[in-house]
Amino acid sequence: DSGVTQTPKHLITATGQRVTLRCSPRSGDLSVYWYQQSLDQGLQFLIQYYNGEERAKGNILERFSAQQFPDLHSELNLSSLELGDSALYFCASSVTRQGANTGELFFGEGSRLTVL
Amino acid sequence: AQSVAQPEDQVNVAEGNPLTVKCTYSVSGNPYLFWYVQYPNRGLQFLLKYITGDNLVKGSYGFEAEFNKSQTSFHLKKPSALVSDSALYFCAVRDAGGGADGLTFGKGTHLIIQP
Repeated sequence: DSGVTQTPKHLITATGQRVTLRCSPRSGDLSVYWYQQSLDQGLQFLIQYYNGEERAKGNILERFSAQQFPDLHSELNLSSLELGDSALYFCASSVTRQGANTGELFFGEGSRLTVL
Repeated sequence: AQSVAQPEDQVNVAEGNPLTVKCTYSVSGNPYLFWYVQYPNRGLQFLLKYITGDNLVKGSYGFEAEFNKSQTSFHLKKPSALVSDSALYFCAVRDAGGGADGLTFGKGTHLIIQP
């Protein structure tokens, strides 16, 4: 058990809909990262939050947004869903200090999104 | 920009034989390198990392990896494979001098250990 909790584990929805994925990081970790895993694209970095602030942005679509709350949990919002958004969405956390981060990321079990 | 290449989609090894899963990387500065394993319908589990120091890094479940700066490689190895090692393996890199903390992953290598 990595200590990172993601809900829901599975989600089935229709095109055009909006969903919210939730992540609770490991106790003490200030950084949260969101990744998308699909068969054709592999693991793609979407976005990182550190202590409530956006820190880095990757290949995140404009239809997607995220935030990190004061209690450090994070939510990833996916809207106007398309068939191609079907994927496994992972949240990871790490301790981030000043300067270079040498630490590994700890991953949750993922949320599997199916768009029909 | 940083990148990781895992040249083999699949590696097949007989149980008891040594295994190697290949990884090469590209970063502008010094690399921090990581290996993760993913079992079906599970999240990624950390195996080992190279930050600095000894080029041979030992990790979980008997795995080790060798950092080779001249070849920009970080191959994962195990002296004797087990059937339970069958899984999807990811190599990842972070630029030590970069501002982003996220890891860039390779596309993954399916390791299949045959009894």
